[in-house]
Amino acid sequence: EAQVTQNPRYLITVTGKKLTVTCSQNMNHEYMSWYRQDPGLGLRQIYYSMNVEVTDKGDVPEGYKVSRKEKRNFPLILESPSPNQTSLYFCASKGQGNSPLHFGNGTRLTVT
Amino acid sequence: RKEVEQDPGPFNVPEGATVAFNCTYSNSASQSFFWYRQDCRKEPKLLMSVYSSGNEDGRFTAQLNRASQYISLLIRDSKLSDSATYLCVVKDQAGTALIFGKGTTLSVSS
Repeated sequence: EAQVTQNPRYLITVTGKKLTVTCSQNMNHEYMSWYRQDPGLGLRQIYYSMNVEVTDKGDVPEGYKVSRKEKRNFPLILESPSPNQTSLYFCASKGQGNSPLHFGNGTRLTVT
Repeated sequence: RKEVEQDPGPFNVPEGATVAFNCTYSNSASQSFFWYRQDCRKEPKLLMSVYSSGNEDGRFTAQLNRASQYISLLIRDSKLSDSATYLCVVKDQAGTALIFGKGTTLSVSS
């Protein structure tokens, strides 16, 4: 089954404790992206990747890192999480051209 | 500034009603348009792409008006299961950037 898989689904952590949210897709998509979704603000892009070893900042990259060492994986790294990073996070991938985005199930992160 | 604007609603309608959402976009060079549906903070899922000539999928009809820079979604014979948030998505011509509206919430009641 074609899918985007994120882990974990839920995560509660404390300020400053490094964490990684994993994202994997099995559709051989070149494009992958991370979003955060907050009430009243909609989906905002954090980082995206056009291909292996190519990553670019989205609209809200501060406090986040990503890597794209292989095509299927696109982990999101929070080196020193802060409470303002409490949010719902979605990973997504898409094929070429005008094909739509496929989203993972989401990761609900709480930073205390 | 790149923007996609939607009326946040909520739209509260009875079962069987016809409801329409509009979405305006600011970049006249935008080339692709989509409607996504999102349930209860779950992941957004593609509802339908929007083609220049307009397109229909069952009870759902999408229209594109390039001159006025808006797209619309019409839902006929609303069902309880249509209750969700509908996201308008526009692809920037510059690359693969997909710009999301903040969503319109629909609540269908019996």
